[in-house]
Amino acid sequence: DTEVTQTPKHLVMGMTNKKSLKCEQHMGHRAMYWYKQKAKKPPELMFVYSYEKLSINESVPSRFSPECPNSSLLNLHLHALQPEDSALYLCASSQVEFNEQFFGPGTRLTVL
Amino acid sequence: SQELEQSPQSLIVQEGKNLTINCTSSKTLYGLYWYKQKYGEGLIFLMMLQKGGEEKSHEKITAKLDEKKQQSSLHITASQPSHAGIYLCGAQRGNYGQNFVFGPGTRLSVLP
Repeated sequence: DTEVTQTPKHLVMGMTNKKSLKCEQHMGHRAMYWYKQKAKKPPELMFVYSYEKLSINESVPSRFSPECPNSSLLNLHLHALQPEDSALYLCASSQVEFNEQFFGPGTRLTVL
Repeated sequence: SQELEQSPQSLIVQEGKNLTINCTSSKTLYGLYWYKQKYGEGLIFLMMLQKGGEEKSHEKITAKLDEKKQQSSLHITASQPSHAGIYLCGAQRGNYGQNFVFGPGTRLSVLP
């Protein structure tokens, strides 16, 4: 299994909602990432988990809360988002930090 | 200012033509990665270059790293419509992979 899966594919939420994005991989990778990508821009790194511990937080607002329940799963909890947070959220994993990264298809998030 | 610059920003070529995409770093490179993204989808890893002068090929795509010039090139031979997409170079910041950044991307269209 060389796939990174992300759910949901699309998400529309209001500014007062709480929602979660989910990412899963079964490749035995020990590093997992969340990226945010705005239209016509490159992905921007948000968080890195290495061996299930948060290793990098790129000064992301606290309304985004990552969680790594186990080595295969990565969640991104969303609360009180702003319309400017609307973007494609990409999850990736790699054997070790920043080696060849395998990306999921992304969750397209719209905040109303 | 961006750490990674790519040129050209976009490229339209006729099927069968060769093309080159360049990536230049404003900082020392500790590892240079090439990814391809189909519009609105996840990224696909192409190649990783770590040593100055390194050159790697996969099918019709060749990437080279010029560490002294802090730049890399991606060359596609005999382009096909399947090569269309956005090509992104990415690099680790710091020798211990403290972070990861992408260039702005080069949008490639291949006309049949």
